[in-house]
Amino acid sequence: DSGVTQTPKHLITATGQRVTLRCSPRSGDLSVYWYQQSLDQGLQFLIQYYNGEERAKGNILERFSAQQFPDLHSELNLSSLELGDSALYFCASSPVPYTEAFFGQGTRLTVV
Amino acid sequence: QKEVEQDPGPLSVPEGAIVSLNCTYSNSAFQYFMWYRQYSRKGPELLMYTYSSGNKEDGRFTAQVDKSSKYISLFIRDSQPSDSATYLCAMSVWGQGGSEKLVFGKGTKLTVNP
Repeated sequence: DSGVTQTPKHLITATGQRVTLRCSPRSGDLSVYWYQQSLDQGLQFLIQYYNGEERAKGNILERFSAQQFPDLHSELNLSSLELGDSALYFCASSPVPYTEAFFGQGTRLTVV
Repeated sequence: QKEVEQDPGPLSVPEGAIVSLNCTYSNSAFQYFMWYRQYSRKGPELLMYTYSSGNKEDGRFTAQVDKSSKYISLFIRDSQPSDSATYLCAMSVWGQGGSEKLVFGKGTKLTVNP
């Protein structure tokens, strides 16, 4: 157990809908990262937060947004969902940015 | 040229073999080097984390970093079927303002046959 908690584990929703994925980082970790992994693909970096502020942005679509709250948990919001958004979404946390990152077990999103 | 290159494999070995997994990189600013293991449809698990050049050993796993050659390796001794997974290298630079980043390789899929 990495100490990073993601909910829900599975999500099935229809095209055009909006969903929110939640991540609780390891105790004491200030940095949170979001990644997308499609079937048999590598990790695609979406966005990173550090202590509540956006630190870096990757290939995140405009339909996607995220935030990190004062208690350091983070949410990833995906809207106007398309079939191609079906993927595993991982959250990771680290004590300081860009050092060892610990991953949650992911949220499996299926858009039908 | 990609910042981090990793052969996707697949790599298939018999049980008990020594496995060598490798990554090369182009950014000489990278300071931290990591290896992750990812079982199918699970979250990547941090196996090894090192800061400096040289070797770091943990049980059957040895991580090797050669900064002069921009080359990192993970060796698995006495490989077991339970080692069958995708192995991702990762490297990062921190504390250097706008050049901070954490970059993952695409992963090498390993199968250890009983």
